Amino acid sequence: DAKTTQPTSMDCAEGRAANLPCNHSTISGNEYVYWYRQIHSQGPQYIIHGLKNNETNEMASLIITEDRKSSTLILPHATLRDTAVYYCIVREDNNDMRFGAGTRLTVKP
Amino acid sequence: KAGVTQTPRYLIKTRGQQVTLSCSPISGHRSVSWYQQTPGQGLQFLFEYFSETQRNKGNFPGRFSGRQFSNSRSEMNVSTLELGDSALYLCASREGSNTDTQYFGPGTRLTVL
Repeated sequence: DAKTTQPTSMDCAEGRAANLPCNHSTISGNEYVYWYRQIHSQGPQYIIHGLKNNETNEMASLIITEDRKSSTLILPHATLRDTAVYYCIVREDNNDMRFGAGTRLTVKP
Repeated sequence: KAGVTQTPRYLIKTRGQQVTLSCSPISGHRSVSWYQQTPGQGLQFLFEYFSETQRNKGNFPGRFSGRQFSNSRSEMNVSTLELGDSALYLCASREGSNTDTQYFGPGTRLTVL
């Protein structure tokens, strides 16, 4: 079973920031938080990952709470192409990635 | 660098047949993982290979097997196909350590009739 909880779906207006939450209350100290997205049955696309500190790259920002029990993925200026299922994943001790159902983000014009 | 490639992209088989899917990882990546994605079960981990050895295995029956070659390319085999094996099969590669990021291929869409 996935170790994360995400809302089933979210909407966002084009050009606005999309904030996708994820709860991972049982995360252990050496587990990373990864975010992937999947567009229309293509292979999942890596977005960003982090351990304790907030992270930013050209695609998104990842905000991890101080207690590490939750995180938020931020797409600063969502476009229609960002419509996808977004997966928040905590890396298991045995190294495989357990995907949950994810959040279906719909960016609307 | 070229991304992860999978062949074939689409495949149609009948029940009872067997199938072999292929995955070429990103150059320099030594770990290859396989996943099955279905509408009902979502993305599920099958197994991971590293340096030609299975390093990790998910909860799938023995009909699902795999191997990895010395050039890190990997194949996945499903024997005695069942209707429920219809799925998108995804391959992902990473350099090899526990914290490396996995990069996914486009997948092979298998339909079992």
